[in-house]
Amino acid sequence: DAGVIQSPRHEVTEMGQEVTLRCKPISGHNSLFWYRQTMMRGLELLIYFNNNVPIDDSGMPEDRFSAKMPNASFSTLKIQPSEPRDSAVYFCASRPGQSYTDTQYFGPGTRLTVL
Amino acid sequence: QQQVKQSPQSLIVQKGGISIINCAYENTAFDYFPWYQQFPGKGPALLIAIRPDVSEKKEGRFTISFNKSAKQFSLHIMDSQPGDSATYFCAASRMDSSYKLIFGSGTRLLVRP
Repeated sequence: DAGVIQSPRHEVTEMGQEVTLRCKPISGHNSLFWYRQTMMRGLELLIYFNNNVPIDDSGMPEDRFSAKMPNASFSTLKIQPSEPRDSAVYFCASRPGQSYTDTQYFGPGTRLTVL
Repeated sequence: QQQVKQSPQSLIVQKGGISIINCAYENTAFDYFPWYQQFPGKGPALLIAIRPDVSEKKEGRFTISFNKSAKQFSLHIMDSQPGDSATYFCAASRMDSSYKLIFGSGTRLLVRP
């Protein structure tokens, strides 16, 4: 299995631009998570999908952030407009089931730099 | 109460030594405690996990010790190797919040050859 696939791996953009991060979860996994990692705040859960439906988006910082999961094999995280404080590594993770003891499998991340 | 406190922030160990990372929690509703390992440029990956009904779990050179009364758990890496150099995160979750993993702040481990 290829694991969780994220693209792009690196993104450099200017403040005010729209940024779209992409994720392909592991086939057969029905839970998907978006995390943000920074030195100051560590790993933060942004949003959780179950069976393509957003269940909890309380971690999304503000209205500039939006996430979609149009089907079981694809999800996007969009930031519009981007700001320098959005610079971070964004991880997508998928999980095979709904049990809290099921392992979350993380992708390699997208390193976002907003100038 | 939702926090997991992790220490130390960084750790340097000689090859062959024992690495010890500690975590503490407040919320007694937590009942699943995984450890994740993250190499530079990679996403975190599950290393080992424990439930509070056991006091210790060992997988190869990695051992979790769990002290339920003290609400503390720790990761021990025996015979530490340079290839173990990575950032380690403890985490906690609970059955009534099936999707939330509460992560510690991470420990950057460097094993010197």
